[in-house]
Amino acid sequence: AQTVTQSQPEMSVQEAETVTLSCTYDTSENNYYLFWYKQPPSRQMILVIRQEAYKQQNATENRFSVNFQKAAKSFSLKISDSQLGDTAMYFCAFMKPTGTASKLTFGTGTRLQVTL
Amino acid sequence: GAVVSQHPSWVICKSGTSVKIECRSLDFQATTMFWYRQFPKQSLMLMATSNEGSKATYEQGVEKDKFLINHASLTLSTLTVTSAHPEDSSFYICSSYRGNQPQHFGDGTRLSIL
Repeated sequence: AQTVTQSQPEMSVQEAETVTLSCTYDTSENNYYLFWYKQPPSRQMILVIRQEAYKQQNATENRFSVNFQKAAKSFSLKISDSQLGDTAMYFCAFMKPTGTASKLTFGTGTRLQVTL
Repeated sequence: GAVVSQHPSWVICKSGTSVKIECRSLDFQATTMFWYRQFPKQSLMLMATSNEGSKATYEQGVEKDKFLINHASLTLSTLTVTSAHPEDSSFYICSSYRGNQPQHFGDGTRLSIL
């Protein structure tokens, strides 16, 4: 079974600064997908960024980028130019494409607070 | 716009009542949908996988008779919490399976049992 670990329960960053959220996972699979989801106080689950394991290039979406280290099984999220609206819970998630319904395995989450 | 619609968003009811939560796929036919439960300040825990036209697959430890799942059409899955009690109070959220694409989530349902 896959496990996803987020070792930082809470993080704080000042507006306009950069913050990195950590995520490690354990799997014996070679082909899989990794995601970062954001859950603001409204509790909606919002996809932030996605990475396919077969791609060596790190995914980037505007101010959000990842550092994907497949050998180390690490998948950190960097938020640049942090904004107040980035305040939320961030969940790292793993998905193994099985050909049938692929389940998401979530980490425990990191609560990010962006301050003035 | 939302591609998965979940209703109701918030429900309060008395202990012993059964509560139905609906999850609709708006822009495609979802043969499979997922139901999660989230306690305050915790992560999402998968409860079950809902399969159109067949029985749901429940995760270990989830009571099948307590959490009834029906997926009668390609666009609608329902979760019924039967004879709900205060310990069933939680945030329930559904998502759609879209192959290797990221799952789309509903907005969730906050269930409070008095």
